[in-house]
Amino acid sequence: AQSVAQPEDQVNVAEGNPLTVKCTYSVSGNPYLFWYVQYPNRGLQFLLKYITGDNLVKGSYGFEAEFNKSQTSFHLKKPSALVSDSALYFCAVRRIYSSASKIIFGSGTRLSIRP
Amino acid sequence: EAGVAQSPRYKIIEKRQSVAFWCNPISGHATLYWYQQILGQGPKLLIQFQNNGVVDDSQLPKDRFSAERLKGVDSTLKIQPAKLEDSAVYLCASSERDSLTGELFFGEGSRLTVL
Repeated sequence: AQSVAQPEDQVNVAEGNPLTVKCTYSVSGNPYLFWYVQYPNRGLQFLLKYITGDNLVKGSYGFEAEFNKSQTSFHLKKPSALVSDSALYFCAVRRIYSSASKIIFGSGTRLSIRP
Repeated sequence: EAGVAQSPRYKIIEKRQSVAFWCNPISGHATLYWYQQILGQGPKLLIQFQNNGVVDDSQLPKDRFSAERLKGVDSTLKIQPAKLEDSAVYLCASSERDSLTGELFFGEGSRLTVL
């Protein structure tokens, strides 16, 4: 079954330091991977996606993600964290089945940036 | 461009009562999704519509949940009767079509508390 796993419930980083939020995937065939962010009391917002091509994908708010096929990972990264990056981050995969497809979300990682 | 609209934002009911949530997707978006997000978990897909047809409702508890999208535009999700475990945020999302590469656009959600 196609799914994603986020091994860390929480990540704490000091402002200005680089951050990484981890995601591993399990898919058959080519993976279609996404990252979304959720701020308090808000819906999810799309950050970036990997479909094919360059393994380093750039997205909104200075975030990027690195697709690693050998390690089946799609980690979210940012070179210098901001306090405003504090939020809940979800990795997701497009699951394909007989008649359509749907997006399956991971359990989420809470990112906390301290001043 | 207007985003995905949802109402009400908050609802408190007692168990065994009924509740309905409304969603208006982004204009022109053919695919509409209802997700349930329980506190501390990632969103779980309840039902997916393509225009006014159901694509996937495999995780919808059909004994108490129902959803419709009669004219292929806005949608209503109903719970009757509600249980304590239905306390969650109900997220509506839309996309241009059921595309492998397309991202979802989410509303701000409807938070349900069942007492």
